[in-house]
Amino acid sequence: ETGVTQTPRHLVMGMTNKKSLKCEQHLGHNAMYWYKQSAKKPLELMFVYSLEERVENNSVPSRFSPECPNSSHLFLHLHTLQPEDSALYLCASSQESGLDDEQYFGPGTRLTVT
Amino acid sequence: EDQVTQSPEALRLQEGESSSLNCSYTVSGLRGLFWYRQDPGKGPEFLFTLYSAGEEKEKERLKATLTKKESFLHITAPKPEDSATYLCAVRPSGGSQGNLIFGKGTKLSVKP
Repeated sequence: ETGVTQTPRHLVMGMTNKKSLKCEQHLGHNAMYWYKQSAKKPLELMFVYSLEERVENNSVPSRFSPECPNSSHLFLHLHTLQPEDSALYLCASSQESGLDDEQYFGPGTRLTVT
Repeated sequence: EDQVTQSPEALRLQEGESSSLNCSYTVSGLRGLFWYRQDPGKGPEFLFTLYSAGEEKEKERLKATLTKKESFLHITAPKPEDSATYLCAVRPSGGSQGNLIFGKGTKLSVKP
């Protein structure tokens, strides 16, 4: 595996379900990110982790819960979601979060909440 | 408020027809401007980073330029494989860690 991988690629869940998205980076980076991409809207930064510590939380509802067990893995735990949470969820990584280096993205998980 | 605006929203070109995409930004200070390419069903792919006005970078048929208020992505003699959505993002100097502000993108279609 190379770059940033995400699983699953597609997920359909009901409003009462609990599911998790997984991201893994194979680039040796120290920072990882979760973004939300909705139709006709810009990418929205949700969470930033640097060396496994959360350094940014952009007012994301508590029904989204991130977890970063080590610098290579990032999870997004989902529970009691709303239909408006349907979107493409993208994971990204970069060498460091505080520098001006570029972020590398995974292919995303297309989430549909029914 | 920091903001990024991309235009046009969509652009259709004939193969070989050169054009430019625009990214206008308003930020308190600019630490970097990034261009990404996104194909349908995929995550954004990094293209360029620009740091200061007057800077230019090139990659194959793409050339990115930067002024104090905007950036252009010039596409010379495009091919159908250049069809994608092109995203612009800025990192404000006063921004929190890792914070990139994205535009909505320009969807480029190149017809053979």
